[in-house]
Amino acid sequence: VVTQSPGTLSLSPGERATLSCRASQSLSNSYFAWYQQKPGQAPRLLMYGQSSRATGIPDRFSGSRSGTDCTLSINRLEPEDFAVYFCQHYRSSPPEYTFGPGTKLEIK
Amino acid sequence: EVQLVQSGAEVKKSGESLKISCKASGYTFTYNWIAWVRQMPGKGLEWMGIVHPGDSNTRYSPSFQGQVTISADRSSNTAYLQWSGLRASDTAMYYCARVLSGFDVWGQGTNVTV
Repeated sequence: VVTQSPGTLSLSPGERATLSCRASQSLSNSYFAWYQQKPGQAPRLLMYGQSSRATGIPDRFSGSRSGTDCTLSINRLEPEDFAVYFCQHYRSSPPEYTFGPGTKLEIK
Repeated sequence: EVQLVQSGAEVKKSGESLKISCKASGYTFTYNWIAWVRQMPGKGLEWMGIVHPGDSNTRYSPSFQGQVTISADRSSNTAYLQWSGLRASDTAMYYCARVLSGFDVWGQGTNVTV
């Protein structure tokens, strides 16, 4: 099970967002990824290996991990950053790609 | 450019069978696993399973084992997700995605209404 907090985060453009994710169990050789999803669109990979940015993702986005906890930080929020963010706890062998329930980042 | 293009929206009746597709381009299809992800209306993402197009090896999430069949045809660079008897609870958007450090490229989604 993967949990995310908060469920909803209300912030203003220019502020910093901190999103949290926790896996219920520690899996060997596991990692975290983060995805952004806007209404009517497919999810987009933001971060993988907990702290590596996917192609084209600005450096305002950063990730970190401590044990079974992972954090996504977004500096200087832009209007296009307001969306739903999903965390994923994954490993390739044996395969496990569990998603968290998501955090909605909304404009305050 | 790496792309995954999915088949169009489907409206089916309970009990009917269905097979949706995901066509890959822009990379060597047999190098990476392909995943299928369900998103029910207004809900989150659920990993269903993965298929390796190189050898058709499949792995299913326990929640979806026995409920769907995932396959791939390397001659046409296409992955598939199929049901043998749809239920109303299968109504959802279904995405395919390439498995590479997470799911790095996603299809546009196929909306299935039962």
